[in-house]
Amino acid sequence: NAGVMQNPRHLVRRRGQEARLRCSPMKGHSHVYWYRQLPEEGLKFMVYLQKENIIDESGMPKERFSAEFPKEGPSILRIQQVVRGDSAAYFCASSQGWQQPQHFGDGTRLSIL
Amino acid sequence: DAKTTQPNSMESNEEEPVHLPCNHSTISGTDYIHWYRQLPSQGPEYVIHGLTSNVNNRMASLAIAEDRKSSTLILHRATLRDAAVYYCILRDYNNNDMRFGAGTRLTVKP
Repeated sequence: NAGVMQNPRHLVRRRGQEARLRCSPMKGHSHVYWYRQLPEEGLKFMVYLQKENIIDESGMPKERFSAEFPKEGPSILRIQQVVRGDSAAYFCASSQGWQQPQHFGDGTRLSIL
Repeated sequence: DAKTTQPNSMESNEEEPVHLPCNHSTISGTDYIHWYRQLPSQGPEYVIHGLTSNVNNRMASLAIAEDRKSSTLILHRATLRDAAVYYCILRDYNNNDMRFGAGTRLTVKP
């Protein structure tokens, strides 16, 4: 299966710890997007990256959240000093180019104890 | 950002056609109309998109009103596997991200 791969599928952290979510885009895709979904709500855009560059981070909280998409390896969404309100499903998507359909992974479900 | 309005939920019978409406009265000339669906515990899945003309693919058809202020996603024969939340999204050609609304939860009855 050459789809978008996210890991881990489930992640449990205690308040104050760090969470790292990984996303490997589809082969040949250089555009990566991160979304957050709270229970019973739609997806909220967080950040859009191309290799080594953040293109649009208008949906990212100003503090504790960061994202990267290095030249080699997966894209990483990092949440420092997690709080209960960070509990959500985090989805990654990739596309081949500008305005191309986005292909989504099955998400990482983050739970904060 | 231009917004979309969809019914919260719809029901359909298996093997019957389903018409999912979407209103986007503030659509601009550079907005594409995209449809995605999300099955339980999965990420969204691309369904179809269009600009002005009606579009068909193996999953569905997209009918776009002449004034582009509304569109309809058509599933020609609903199956139980089509039960999902369907999102209608306007995607500005000048931006590459997507803004999801609450979508329409489609229930398919056997």
